[in-house]
Amino acid sequence: EPEVTQTPSHQVTQMGQEVILRCVPISNHLYFYWYRQILGQKVEFLVSFYNNEISEKSEIFDDQFSVERPDGSNFTLKIRSTKLEDSAMYFCASSDPGQNTEAFFGQGTRLTVV
Amino acid sequence: EDQVTQSPEALRLQEGESSSLNCSYTVSGLRGLFWYRQDPGKGPEFLFTLYSAGEEKEKERLKATLTKKESFLHITAPKPEDSATYLCAVEIYNQGGKLIFGQGTELSVKP
Repeated sequence: EPEVTQTPSHQVTQMGQEVILRCVPISNHLYFYWYRQILGQKVEFLVSFYNNEISEKSEIFDDQFSVERPDGSNFTLKIRSTKLEDSAMYFCASSDPGQNTEAFFGQGTRLTVV
Repeated sequence: EDQVTQSPEALRLQEGESSSLNCSYTVSGLRGLFWYRQDPGKGPEFLFTLYSAGEEKEKERLKATLTKKESFLHITAPKPEDSATYLCAVEIYNQGGKLIFGQGTELSVKP
């Protein structure tokens, strides 16, 4: 069964460092998303991406964040200068352009900023 | 402001004891309502999509229903393996597929 794959599963980084979280969406999907979940809190939308550009972004997604689809299979989230409050579980998701728009999520990357 | 509220926050059931989880929403322009299951430390796992009031979907012991203001996830004769957090999310038209999630209901089913 096709699935969304995220790497790494856990990343520890020093405050102020740059991190790149990687995702391989389901192969025939064209819509890509990043969400985050701070421990004990709701899943929060960060950004959606379609046709090589951002479709929608939340107020959380400020200039410290960027997304890229560097090739035909990968989708990345970059955080330029990490803060303690960026510590969270980050989920990548993808959906297809057809009638059924449900998003399928990866297993997440746990980011710990120290 | 678009909002999704789930109740109860936590629910403990005995195996075989049926119950329902609630998801209330206040949004402008609902495109779809989604139910996901989330196990600890894992990503949300898709269960159902509902698009219009009156629609129902079923999968094994789970049944989801939708009205104009809320959705219910009915669990019939649950088993311990149904223990998880159940998340409700809504998609609004013209917002790039963005999902707004509720805080979830943590379900525990004891044998």
